[in-house]
Amino acid sequence: SAVISQKPSRDICQRGTSLTIQCQVDSQVTMMFWYRQQPGQSLTLIATANQGSEATYESGFVIDKFPISRPNLTFSTLTVSNMSPEDSSIYLCSVLSWATDTQYFGPGTRLTVL
Amino acid sequence: GQNIDQPTEMTATEGAIVQINCTYQTSGFNGLFWYQQHAGEAPTFLSYNVLDGLEEKGRFSSFLSRSKGYSYLLLKELQMKDSASYLCAVTRGAAGNKLTFGGGTRVLVKP
Repeated sequence: SAVISQKPSRDICQRGTSLTIQCQVDSQVTMMFWYRQQPGQSLTLIATANQGSEATYESGFVIDKFPISRPNLTFSTLTVSNMSPEDSSIYLCSVLSWATDTQYFGPGTRLTVL
Repeated sequence: GQNIDQPTEMTATEGAIVQINCTYQTSGFNGLFWYQQHAGEAPTFLSYNVLDGLEEKGRFSSFLSRSKGYSYLLLKELQMKDSASYLCAVTRGAAGNKLTFGGGTRVLVKP
C-alpha cells in the first residue's frame, strides 16, 4: 500500500480564515480523494482530484468553499475557505491503488474552528 | 440515492465472535469495502468484496450478497485491540472508485 502523509496534522483556526491541507504520497497515483469526517460521524466524500483536470465535487460541496489543487501525481491540496465552526472536522485524503482496486487513507488533519 | 445501514454499537467478550451487518441500497454498485478505524486514527483497509460469497482473511471474514444488498464482517477470537469502529463502504459509479460510507459500527471488546 502507498505511504500517505498530511500536513498539518491538526490546527486551530479563527472564523473567516482559510487553511490549506497538503497530502503527499510516496508513489505516483492517478486518483486522489478528499473526505471529511465530522465528530462522531462516518466519512463523507468531498471531491475527487485527478491530475491534469478539474476536481469533481460531490453534492453539497463547492469549489469556492473547498478549492483543490493537483499539480502532479504525488501531491494534492485542499483549502477550507472562509471557515466557520461547522467546518470543524477531520479531513482525510485517500489514494486509489489500481493494482488492488483499494483506497488507502492518510492520517487526517484535525481542524478546529473557533 | 444511497442508503447504507449498520448497527451503531456492538459489545462482545474477548475470545468471542462478532458479526457486523451492513445493508445497502445504491445505484451503480460495484463492490463493498470494510475498514477498521481506531479512535483518532485513519481508516485501515480490511476487505473488499465484489462477488457473492465469503472471503476469509485470518481472524476476519467478509461476506457479500449482491442480490440481497447485504454484507457482514465476521471477527473471530476477539482481542482487546479489536475495539474500534468498523466502516462499511460501497463503491459506485462508472469508474467504480467513489466510496460511500455507512455510519460505522463501534465495537467494544470487554475482558
